[in-house]
Amino acid sequence: GENVEQHPSTLSVQEGDSAVIKCTYSDSASNYFPWYKQELGKRPQLIIDIRSNVGEKKDQRIAVTLNKTAKHFSLHITETQPEDSAVYFCAASHSQGNLIFGKGTKLSVKP
Amino acid sequence: EADIYQTPRYLVIGTGKKITLECSQTMGHDKMYWYQQDPGMELHLIHYSYGVNSTEKGDLSSESTVSRIRTEHFPLTLESARPSHTSQYLCASSELGRNTIYFGEGSWLTVV
Repeated sequence: GENVEQHPSTLSVQEGDSAVIKCTYSDSASNYFPWYKQELGKRPQLIIDIRSNVGEKKDQRIAVTLNKTAKHFSLHITETQPEDSAVYFCAASHSQGNLIFGKGTKLSVKP
Repeated sequence: EADIYQTPRYLVIGTGKKITLECSQTMGHDKMYWYQQDPGMELHLIHYSYGVNSTEKGDLSSESTVSRIRTEHFPLTLESARPSHTSQYLCASSELGRNTIYFGEGSWLTVV
């Protein structure tokens, strides 16, 4: 079955710097890769996703890149702000399967 | 904002009590899920359902049970709560064949 590894487990950056979180997956049949943000005490919420027919997707300060050959995908946050502080989860699935989540990255943005 | 509702949001109960966590969604999604999560930690899938009368066990073994009698409703029951069941329980839903899942706000359960 699918296995998703996520790194780093914790990340601390200064406000205004960029943050990068990386995930690898094992099942070459996986074709959907979402990222969820979970603020303290709140539910995980989808912030961006990418499908396997696309290499990169951007939405304002966040972007996701996918390397199908290497089976890894990354979340990039530019110009980080204190409100970006949260736990971020990557996930992977193929069309008939459940999402398999990474273990999460706790991002802290210091003012 | 996705329309998926959980009750109760917070609950403290004694060991050995029976508890049902309610989850309802108004989006007409066929697939529903229950995840267990300790604060800021991994999301563990404990149950899911493809639709009415379908229930499947997830990746993490759980002593809870679920039922799916109506499309919009997916309750989770613990017959005899133990302190080890203390956790947050997140309900979620998705359209069948589409993998984007939407989470409810969670039910925080404390067993004393």
